[in-house]
Amino acid sequence: AQSVTQLGSHVSVSEGALVLLRCNYSSSVPPYLFWYVQYPNQGLQLLLKYTTGATLVKGINGFEAEFKKSETSFHLTKPSAHMSDAAEYFCAVSKGTYKYIFGTGTRLKVLA
Amino acid sequence: EAQVTQNPRYLITVTGKKLTVTCSQNMNHEYMSWYRQDPGLGLRQIYYSMNVEVTDKGDVPEGYKVSRKEKRNFPLILESPSPNQTSLYFCASSLSSSGGKGGETQYFGPGTRLLVL
Repeated sequence: AQSVTQLGSHVSVSEGALVLLRCNYSSSVPPYLFWYVQYPNQGLQLLLKYTTGATLVKGINGFEAEFKKSETSFHLTKPSAHMSDAAEYFCAVSKGTYKYIFGTGTRLKVLA
Repeated sequence: EAQVTQNPRYLITVTGKKLTVTCSQNMNHEYMSWYRQDPGLGLRQIYYSMNVEVTDKGDVPEGYKVSRKEKRNFPLILESPSPNQTSLYFCASSLSSSGGKGGETQYFGPGTRLLVL
């Protein structure tokens, strides 16, 4: 069965510092990979996704993620954190079906 | 404005009292899905629908029903709610990619917070 693991349920970074949120998946075939962000009291919105092609994917708000098949990872990064990045981030996978598996989420706190 | 709407946004009910949470989208999306979000568990898929009259179970379908009679609407029905169904529920929709490959972006509603006493 597919699964998604997000390391660290809470991550704190200083404003201006690198953001790194980790996501590993288990799948026997390359999946479709997503990062969604959830701001307080809102629904989720897509940050970026990998379907095919270039393994380095750029998303909104300066975020990017790299699909590494050999490491079964899809970590999310941003070079410089901003206060407005404080939110909960979810990694998700779909393996060529209509089913989606979400990770348990990582809450990002940005310190002034 | 393109959006997914859910009603109600907040609901308190008692065990066993049937309820329906509505979901509607105005983007002409074929695919719709329901999720529940619980602390420490992330989002878990309850049911999904690939198109009108076509639905299937997600990972946690027990205690829920759905129907898809119209393309824009996908209500979630709790026939006999129990306290373990207290949760935050999200509806989502997306275009349906050819072959059902699942690589489409999902658009989420604002959520429905349900408390079952």
